[in-house]
Amino acid sequence: QVQLQESGPGLVKPSETLSLTCTVSGGSVSSVTYYWNWIRQPPGKGLEWIGYFYYSGSTNSNPSLKSRVAMSLDTSKNQFSLRLSSVSAADTAVYYCASVVTAAGRYYFDSWGQGILVTVSS
Amino acid sequence: QTVVTQEPSFSVSPGGTVTVTCGLNSGSVSTSYYPSWYQQTPGQAPRPLIYSTNTRSSGVPDRFSGSILGNKAALTITGAQAEDECDYYCVLYMGSGLWVFGGGTKLTVL
Repeated sequence: QVQLQESGPGLVKPSETLSLTCTVSGGSVSSVTYYWNWIRQPPGKGLEWIGYFYYSGSTNSNPSLKSRVAMSLDTSKNQFSLRLSSVSAADTAVYYCASVVTAAGRYYFDSWGQGILVTVSS
Repeated sequence: QTVVTQEPSFSVSPGGTVTVTCGLNSGSVSTSYYPSWYQQTPGQAPRPLIYSTNTRSSGVPDRFSGSILGNKAALTITGAQAEDECDYYCVLYMGSGLWVFGGGTKLTVL
C-alpha cells in the first residue's frame, strides 16, 4: 500500500481557488497501478467523492463539482493536486487524498491520507 | 442524480449482531457496483473494511462481513464490540471512474 499526505493552505477566501497537494510514498504517481482520488468531508457531515486522476490523463469528477474541479500530477515530486475554483463556505471541509488500485474488481479506496481541514472564510 | 442510501443510525448491544444496508435510489445494488465499506472514528481518516461486496481488507477482523441482501449491499457485524461504535460508509462504483458515497450510518454499541 502507498502512503499519502495532504498539504496546502488551511484558509481560503471566498471566490478564490483552493489548491491542495498529495505527496505519495511507496508508489509512483506515474504508475499504471493507481487511480488518484480526492474526497472531502464537511464538518459533522458525510464523505463526498470529488474526483480521480490517472497517470494517462484520464480523469472524472463528481458531476456536482465538475465545473470547478481540476486535477493534475507532478511526477518530478511524486505528487498529485486538486484545484477547486470559486469556493464558498460550503466548500469548508476536511479534504482527503486516496488511492484506488486499478486491478480488476478492486474499485475501492485502499489508502488514505490523514486529511487536511480547509476553511473558506474572509 | 444518483443517491446512495444508508440508515442514519443504528444501535446494537455488545456481542450482538447488526446489519447496515446500502441502497440505490435508481434501482437495485448488485455486485456490479463493487460495494465497499469504510469505518471512521472521530478525527480519523476512514479505514477500508470490505471491498467488492464481500472481501475483507487486510487486517479486518472476521466479525465484519459483506453481502448483497435483497436489492441492497449489506455490512454485518457479528459479535459487536465497544470499539465498533463509530460511523460506517458504503461506496458504490458507478462505472466510468465515478464513485458515490452513502450518507453514513452512526453505530452505537450499548
